[in-house]
Amino acid sequence: AQKVTQAQTEISVVEKEDVTLDCVYETRDTTYYLFWYKQPPSGELVFLIRRNSFDEQNEISGRYSWNFQKSTSSFNFTITASQVVDSAVYFCALSEAGNYGQNFVFGPGTRLSVLP
Amino acid sequence: KAGVTQTPRYLIKTRGQQVTLSCSPISGHRSVSWYQQTPGQGLQFLFEYFSETQRNKGNFPGRFSGRQFSNSRSEMNVSTLELGDSALYLCASSDWTGDTQYFGPGTRLTVL
Repeated sequence: AQKVTQAQTEISVVEKEDVTLDCVYETRDTTYYLFWYKQPPSGELVFLIRRNSFDEQNEISGRYSWNFQKSTSSFNFTITASQVVDSAVYFCALSEAGNYGQNFVFGPGTRLSVLP
Repeated sequence: KAGVTQTPRYLIKTRGQQVTLSCSPISGHRSVSWYQQTPGQGLQFLFEYFSETQRNKGNFPGRFSGRQFSNSRSEMNVSTLELGDSALYLCASSDWTGDTQYFGPGTRLTVL
């Protein structure tokens, strides 16, 4: 069975600090996708990034970067120079590719508060 | 391209009533999924439709049902509402690859 764990329930940082959100997943499939979504107070889940299980190349996109390590089943997300607008709940999600029909499994979320 | 739209945005119902929520996917997307989000249970998958067929279903009672129309718009229905059905209901759509889901703003349902 699939499972996503986000051990950090809440994180508070001061603006301009770097912050890393942790995600650990469990799956028996060898082919799967990992995602990060952001949910601001408005409620809409905003897609941030997708990685497939064959692509362990880490990437930096602006202030965001991702660290995907299959050996430890982790898919961590870092925001550098955090801003107040980054305050939101961040969800890590897993989807097993090739699964008949869509069934995303979400972690419990990490609430990030960026203080001015 | 317009994003996923959901109507209504807010609903207040009483126990025992039924409710229908609507979702219009991104143009060209044929897969629509529904999720329930509550503070206690987090985001839970309800069901997914593709080309008017339910392909996958989560672990929810039969009071929760859905359908998809030929234009890919989807509706979900909850009958005999219970207090515990109060939640944010999120709809997501994806294209034929199904790789990434894009979410709508949600419908916040309050059951009194």
